[in-house]
Amino acid sequence: AQSVTQPDIHITVSEGASLELRCNYSYGATPYLFWYVQSPGQGLQLLLKYFSGDTLVQGIKGFEAEFKRSQSSFNLRKPSVHWSDAAEYFCAVGLNRDDKIIFGKGTRLHILP
Amino acid sequence: EAQVTQNPRYLITVTGKKLTVTCSQNMNHEYMSWYRQDPGLGLRQIYYSMNVEVTDKGDVPEGYKVSRKEKRNFPLILESPSPNQTSLYFCASSFSLSYEQYFGPGTRLTVT
Repeated sequence: AQSVTQPDIHITVSEGASLELRCNYSYGATPYLFWYVQSPGQGLQLLLKYFSGDTLVQGIKGFEAEFKRSQSSFNLRKPSVHWSDAAEYFCAVGLNRDDKIIFGKGTRLHILP
Repeated sequence: EAQVTQNPRYLITVTGKKLTVTCSQNMNHEYMSWYRQDPGLGLRQIYYSMNVEVTDKGDVPEGYKVSRKEKRNFPLILESPSPNQTSLYFCASSFSLSYEQYFGPGTRLTVT
């Protein structure tokens, strides 16, 4: 069965440090890939998406993600985190146009001052 | 402004008292979905709709109903709420089911 795994439930980094959030999926073909962010008390907002083409995609708020087909991964990165980046991050996979989207269970990011 | 709206944002109710959470989108999206979010479980899809009068079950449909009589609206109905339906609910819309989703602000439901 198709699945999305975010191995880290919680991650803590210091403000100004770099960040990488991991996402792995299980699916035979190249899916549509997304990262969403949920700030406390808010709905989910799309950070970035990958459908095809360049495997390094840029998103909003200074985030980027890299699709690695050989590793079935779509990790989210940011070179220098800000306190406002503290939130929960969800990786999601869409399997084809008319199939459903599957969300990972999320990674909660904590920022140390 | 493109948006998905949900009402109410907060609701406390008692077991067995029917309730409806409304969802509306102004982006002419064909696809709309309802999710519930629980700690440690992430987002789980309850129901989705591919167009007017077309709905289908998601992963956790038990205890919920939906309807899609108009393209813009997709209400979630709990005919007889129970405490295990206490959760944070999100409505979302999109151009296709596996495309990027636009989420509403969420409805926090407590059933006592």
